[in-house]
Amino acid sequence: EDKVVQSPLSLVVHEGDTVTLNCSYEVTNFRSLLWYKQEKKAPTFLFMLTSSGIEKKSGRLSSILDKKELSSILNITATQTGDSAIYLCGSASNSGYALNFGKGTSLLVTP
Amino acid sequence: NAGVTQTPKFRVLKTGQSMTLLCAQDMNHEYMYWYRQDPGMGLRLIHYSVGEGTTAKGEVPDGYNVSRLKKQNFLLGLESAAPSQTSVYFCASSYSLSRSAGYTFGSGTRLTVV
Repeated sequence: EDKVVQSPLSLVVHEGDTVTLNCSYEVTNFRSLLWYKQEKKAPTFLFMLTSSGIEKKSGRLSSILDKKELSSILNITATQTGDSAIYLCGSASNSGYALNFGKGTSLLVTP
Repeated sequence: NAGVTQTPKFRVLKTGQSMTLLCAQDMNHEYMYWYRQDPGMGLRLIHYSVGEGTTAKGEVPDGYNVSRLKKQNFLLGLESAAPSQTSVYFCASSYSLSRSAGYTFGSGTRLTVV
């Protein structure tokens, strides 16, 4: 059974800090790993990482896939209060039809 | 451009009542999904569909039924609501995962069963 585990489950930091969120996966016939940010409502797409595209960056956010360790990290530098959200990690398999999500990391950035 | 639209946004049901949640997408996506989200549990897949007229069970299908009579609509039904079905329900759609960069999510339905 495919599994996605995120850590930590919750995190509180001060504005300006750098944070690293972790996601480990056990996926049969791995295709990709995706990161989403969820504020009040629907999750919004951040990054997709595949075996051929293991590092992505967008502004203060970046993500790396470690194919050997079967894990991914999401880095946020110079955090802002607007980064407060739940961050979800999901895996896709070549033999499946749906994303399998971890429990999420709840990030709170305090002023 | 509406994307994925869920109705209703909020609902309170009494135990034993039935209801249908509607999900509509206008992106011509083949795949559609229903997830539930509970505190500390992430998103758990209830049912999904890979095309018009097809449905399949996900991780937590018990107590729910679905139908995909039209490509753009995916309905989630609760035949006899239970307090354990109190949750936030998200619909999502995508092209096939081989083509897709991921899902487009609806804004969610908050359901309370009392």
